[in-house]
Amino acid sequence: DIQMTQSPSALSASVGDRVTITCRASQDIRRYLNWYQQKPGKPPILLISGASNLESGVPSRFSGSGSETQFTFTITSLQSEDIATYYCQQSDYVPYTFGPGTRLDIK
Amino acid sequence: QVQLLQSRAEVKKPGASVKISCQPSGDNFKYFYIYWLRQAPGQGLEWMGTINPSGSSATYAQKFQGIVTMTRDAATSAVYMDLGSLTSDDTAVYYCASPPDAFSSSGIFASWGQGTLVTVSS
Repeated sequence: DIQMTQSPSALSASVGDRVTITCRASQDIRRYLNWYQQKPGKPPILLISGASNLESGVPSRFSGSGSETQFTFTITSLQSEDIATYYCQQSDYVPYTFGPGTRLDIK
Repeated sequence: QVQLLQSRAEVKKPGASVKISCQPSGDNFKYFYIYWLRQAPGQGLEWMGTINPSGSSATYAQKFQGIVTMTRDAATSAVYMDLGSLTSDDTAVYYCASPPDAFSSSGIFASWGQGTLVTVSS
């Protein structure tokens, strides 16, 4: 199975800050990397697929980049409604696997 | 995208089984692969398996082989996930999800059900 890691595991930032989360895969997954946002008590929401493709309706302050084994998720200007846990997930190989999540809160 | 409505929370005893339903809205649901995932309390997300649009084939994660069955009802368009031999470790929120496009098992979880909490307790 492909192991996904994320750093940091938790992050505290101020409104307006630039926030970056890193995701690493244990082997080459090309660009089959997706990012989700999950708020407490809710199902995850797909934000980015294919490493950098922003889903329809997702604010442009969210972005993703990377390939092979290293990926980055960025919020260019943090808003209070972005408080959530963010997960990366690889969709190149079955079983599909997720990173452990990055919990983001407001400083 | 598809909208998915799941069945209500369940409480089960160890050793029992649970069957969760996932009911779509929209006529084209029958063309979508459906995934099942789960999330234990305070934990991350885990893919359990995938069922194809016709219901003729399902792929399960290795840890669930032999204890999970995914099925589809063509008449009602509902999808079901039956998990047996429950232990306390199976206490989790279970989600159905669908990919962004019909006929494609991309492994991208674009639409999600609201989740079904299964509590396993003696």
